[in-house]
Amino acid sequence: EAAVTQSPRNKVAVTGGKVTLSCNQTNNHNNMYWYRQDTGHGLRLIHYSYGAGSTEKGDIPDGYKASRPSQENFSLILELATPSQTSVYFCASGDNRGNERLFFGHGTKLSVL
Amino acid sequence: AQSVTQPDARVTVSEGASLQLRCKYSYSATPYLFWYVQYPRQGLQLLLKYYSGDPVVQGVNSFEAEFSKSNSSFHLQKASVHWSDSAVYFCALSMGSSGYNKLTFGKGTVLLVSP
Repeated sequence: EAAVTQSPRNKVAVTGGKVTLSCNQTNNHNNMYWYRQDTGHGLRLIHYSYGAGSTEKGDIPDGYKASRPSQENFSLILELATPSQTSVYFCASGDNRGNERLFFGHGTKLSVL
Repeated sequence: AQSVTQPDARVTVSEGASLQLRCKYSYSATPYLFWYVQYPRQGLQLLLKYYSGDPVVQGVNSFEAEFSKSNSSFHLQKASVHWSDSAVYFCALSMGSSGYNKLTFGKGTVLLVSP
C-alpha cells in the first residue's frame, strides 16, 4: 500500500507569517497534489506536480506556492498566511501509468489566527 | 469544465437498511469516476472506480456503484449498512490519461448510520 506522510499534523500560525506544509511519499509516484478541504466545498486542488522540479497551478493557487525538490517530497508554502487559509490540507500521490487512483495523507489542520 | 455534484450533504440511515448516495457529473466525454471515503481524522481512501465496461462496479466493504451515461450519474449503493460505514463519502471525476489523474471532487456526503 502506498504511503503518504504529511507534517505537521496540526499547525497554528499568525497572520502574515510563513507556513510550510511538507509531504513525503515512498512509492516512487510521479504525480503529487495538494488539496484543501473546507465544509461546503469538498476538496479543491491548489497545486500539483508531475515530477521533481515541476509544479503546476491547480484550481485555487492564489496565496500558495509549491516546491517539488525530489520525487519523494512536495511542499506547500504560504508566504503570508491569512485567516482565510485556515483549513485542512491533504497531500496525495499517484502514478501516470493508467492507474488513476490517488493515495492520500492523513491531512494537516492549519489554523491562521 | 468538468464538475461533480453530490446533491445530499447529509444522509441518515438505520443500521441494516439499504443505502444510495447520489453523484451527478458534467463532462463532455466519458470520465473516469471514483468514490472515496473519509473516516474521522483520516485521509481519503478509494472505495471503487469506473473506467469502462460493465456499468456496475464492485468495491470494498460490499459497496457498489452504477454508471449511467444517459443520466450522467454514478450512484453509490450498499444493500445493508453497518455503523462503521459512518463517514464522509466523496464522488470524484478524472478526465483520464489526458488529465494525469487530476481529480475533481464533489462536496461530499456525510453518512450517519444510526443503531
